[in-house]
Amino acid sequence: GDSVTQMEGPVTLSEEAFLTINCTYTATGYPSLFWYVQYPGEGLQLLLKATKADDKGSNKGFEATYRKETTSFHLEKGSVQVSDSAVYFCALSDVGGGSEKLVFGKGTKLTVNP
Amino acid sequence: KAGVTQTPRYLIKTRGQQVTLSCSPISGHRSVSWYQQTPGQGLQFLFEYFSETQRNKGNFPGRFSGRQFSNSRSEMNVSTLELGDSALYLCASSLSATGELFFGEGSRLTVL
Repeated sequence: GDSVTQMEGPVTLSEEAFLTINCTYTATGYPSLFWYVQYPGEGLQLLLKATKADDKGSNKGFEATYRKETTSFHLEKGSVQVSDSAVYFCALSDVGGGSEKLVFGKGTKLTVNP
Repeated sequence: KAGVTQTPRYLIKTRGQQVTLSCSPISGHRSVSWYQQTPGQGLQFLFEYFSETQRNKGNFPGRFSGRQFSNSRSEMNVSTLELGDSALYLCASSLSATGELFFGEGSRLTVL
């Protein structure tokens, strides 16, 4: 079945450092790819998405590019802030199958120190 | 616009009891999904409802069940609770088949 593998961390960075969180996927169809973020004590929020190969999703300074050839969707940010501390989840969805089901990676906890 | 509302936010049960969790989706959203989040297994899909019909189901035992009402509100039930059912149960709603889900803050269940 479909699956998502992401670096589990935890990742600890200093403010203004560069962030990369790796994500690779296995899927039989042509999934849409997502990054969700979970701040402490809250539910998940969509951070960005990409629906087809070579699409780049971006939001709040975060970016990720859908790479079909390497089945990857790595999350990057050029300069992290303390407020970016959260758990980040990579996910895929085969929306063409008529379902909204998301398959998530295990999550990567990011801590940004001042 | 109100977000996804889940009740109760916290609850404690003992083994063998049953529990019902409620979810009110964003107004206009007809699809509701449920996920279980644990430290060991991460986020696992439970089920998805659309227009009162179960559209998809995850790999959970029959003790886990759900339903959706005509106003799109949804409930999930877990019977004969086990210690391993302790988790954060997240509900999400969506407007269309885009994979963009809006999550509630979750119901944290502790089974003693």
